[in-house]
Amino acid sequence: DIQMTQSPSSLSASVGDRVTITCRASQFIGTYLNWYQQKPGRAPKLLIYGASTLQSGVPSRFSGSGSGTDFTLTISSLQPEDFATYYCQQSYSSPLTFGQGTKVEVK
Amino acid sequence: QVQLQESGPGLVKPSETLSLTCTVSAGSISAFHWSWVRQPPGKGLEWIGYIYDSGTTNYNPSLRSRVTISIDTSKNQFSLKLRSLTAADTALYYCARADSLGPDYETTGYSGGAFDIWGQGTMVTVSS
Repeated sequence: DIQMTQSPSSLSASVGDRVTITCRASQFIGTYLNWYQQKPGRAPKLLIYGASTLQSGVPSRFSGSGSGTDFTLTISSLQPEDFATYYCQQSYSSPLTFGQGTKVEVK
Repeated sequence: QVQLQESGPGLVKPSETLSLTCTVSAGSISAFHWSWVRQPPGKGLEWIGYIYDSGTTNYNPSLRSRVTISIDTSKNQFSLKLRSLTAADTALYYCARADSLGPDYETTGYSGGAFDIWGQGTMVTVSS
């Protein structure tokens, strides 16, 4: 199985901050890397697919980069509605696997 | 706007079988991969398996011996059966859709894309 490791596991930030979350795959996954946002009591929401393509309707302050094994999700200017948990997920091979999540909290 | 809705019992006894159904509305069940994903309370996400409209299935090896996913295209529904339940199966169960724009199945065992649409989830507790 491909292991997905996110860092950090949690972070504290303020509105307006630039936030970066990293995700590392245990083996090559090309650009088959997706990012999700999950708020308490809600289903995950797809933010970015294919490592860098913004899902329709997602604000442009979210961006993704990387290929191979190392990936990054960046929020350019954190907004109040962005406090949530973020997950990366590889869609390269079965079994599909997720990172353990990164919780973005209010500083 | 395609919507997914899970349905099934909220409480199941240990050793019994969980049966959940996901109904797809406002869209076709054809030409997509349909997955089940679960999330134990306070924990992360675990992919259970998927089914394609042809009936082709692919399961997480960690659950393969206990899982069956089926599809009824006439009803726009797909279903999950998970056998021999234990407390460790207590989780929020989601159904989700992935498109078919993925890698080559022959080399990676998967041909779908990201999960772009999710149901709201249904909480299942395994307890006597």
